[in-house]
Amino acid sequence: AQSVTQLDSQVPVFEEAPVELRCNYSSSVSVYLFWYVQYPNQGLQLLLKYLSGSTLVKGINGFEAEFNKSQTSFHLRKPSVHISDTAEYFCAGASGGSYIPTFGRGTSLIVHP
Amino acid sequence: DAGVTQSPTHLIKTRGQHVTLRCSPISGHKSVSWYQQVLGQGPQFIFQYYEKEERGRGNFPDRFSARQFPNYSSELNVNALLLGDSALYLCASSWGLWSGGTGELFFGEGSRLTVL
Repeated sequence: AQSVTQLDSQVPVFEEAPVELRCNYSSSVSVYLFWYVQYPNQGLQLLLKYLSGSTLVKGINGFEAEFNKSQTSFHLRKPSVHISDTAEYFCAGASGGSYIPTFGRGTSLIVHP
Repeated sequence: DAGVTQSPTHLIKTRGQHVTLRCSPISGHKSVSWYQQVLGQGPQFIFQYYEKEERGRGNFPDRFSARQFPNYSSELNVNALLLGDSALYLCASSWGLWSGGTGELFFGEGSRLTVL
């Protein structure tokens, strides 16, 4: 089964600064990767996904991620963050043959004014 | 269109009791998945149902059970509650097993269970 590791439990950053949230996955065989965001007291919302094709994936709210097979990574980036980006971010992965994504432990993005 | 709805939103139980959590998927979605999210952790997969059949089960004890009804809504049941069952229980729906090829899950806001 696919597993993902989020390397940072918390990432503090100032408003308008760039940010990168790191995610590594375990298997390179038919891997499907996702980033979800969870705002306080809400469910998870899909930011972006990689299923195949271009390794640079663009999502909602100005976020993007790059699938790197050699590094087994799928890091999430945003060039300029806003206060409203403060939330919990989850990386998730699924492997070929399984339709069930496995989630990482999450990274808390804290944007300071 | 209504999103995924879950009920109740909050509930408090004592050890040994039973709880039933309910989920209504987005209209047209035939697959429902349940996840447990303990404070400070990512969601852990419990069950997936598609067309009223169980299609996946996570590493949870038999105290956890679920079912899906003909209208595609779902219930999660937990018997003999333990303190460690305190968590946010999330329901997610999708069109099919792999959501028409996109893999996207649509989540409800969850049911927060506290076991005392």
